[in-house]
Amino acid sequence: EIVLTQSPGTLSLSPGERATLSCRASQSVSSSYLAWYQQKPGQAPRLLIYGASSRATGIPDRFSGSGSGTDFTLTISRLEPEDFAVYYCQQYGSSPRETFGQGTKVEIK
Amino acid sequence: QVQLQESGPGLVKPSETLSLTCTVSGGSISSYYWSWIRQPPGKGLEWIGYIYYSGSTNYNPSLKSRVTISVDTSKNQFSLKLSSVTAADTAVYYCARDLVVVVAATGGYYYYGMDVWGQGTTVTVSS
Repeated sequence: EIVLTQSPGTLSLSPGERATLSCRASQSVSSSYLAWYQQKPGQAPRLLIYGASSRATGIPDRFSGSGSGTDFTLTISRLEPEDFAVYYCQQYGSSPRETFGQGTKVEIK
Repeated sequence: QVQLQESGPGLVKPSETLSLTCTVSGGSISSYYWSWIRQPPGKGLEWIGYIYYSGSTNYNPSLKSRVTISVDTSKNQFSLKLSSVTAADTAVYYCARDLVVVVAATGGYYYYGMDVWGQGTTVTVSS
């Protein structure tokens, strides 16, 4: 069973700063099958990144994804007030067919 | 654009079966995979399972013995049944479109993420 571990659990930053979120898999994941989501309180998750590095429709270019194998990163180049939220990585393909990480909360410092 | 709406009872008694329906509007249910995901209060996301419009399914092994997902293409709906519920099944339940593109020639696939989500529905298991 594949497990995705996200770090840190909470990231305290100020608007304008750079955020770097990590997602580590317990076994290799094809970069084609790694996605990132943003979730704000009381809302459904929103797709940000698929294929490890491709932005979904309408996602600002301050969001970028990278990585391969077992280590993946979501970077927010300059935090905007609306970016403070919880972020989840997700893999598709291994058993279970789909798995989410436990999430990283980006909070205002 | 495509929109999803979950519906079903907000309160289910322990040991009974949770039943939810997701209605797809603004587009066809055909040619896509459709997932159910849940989120217990204050916790992360858990994938429950998905169904292809043709009816083939794939479930999370941790829930497989209790889950059934079905599709009704005539109504543009897919449904979730979770049996023998306990308080641990209390959660917000989401439906989502799972954008998987199968390459017919090779049997491989491309994955574009869960690109459309319902707003979620809260289900509480309590007597």
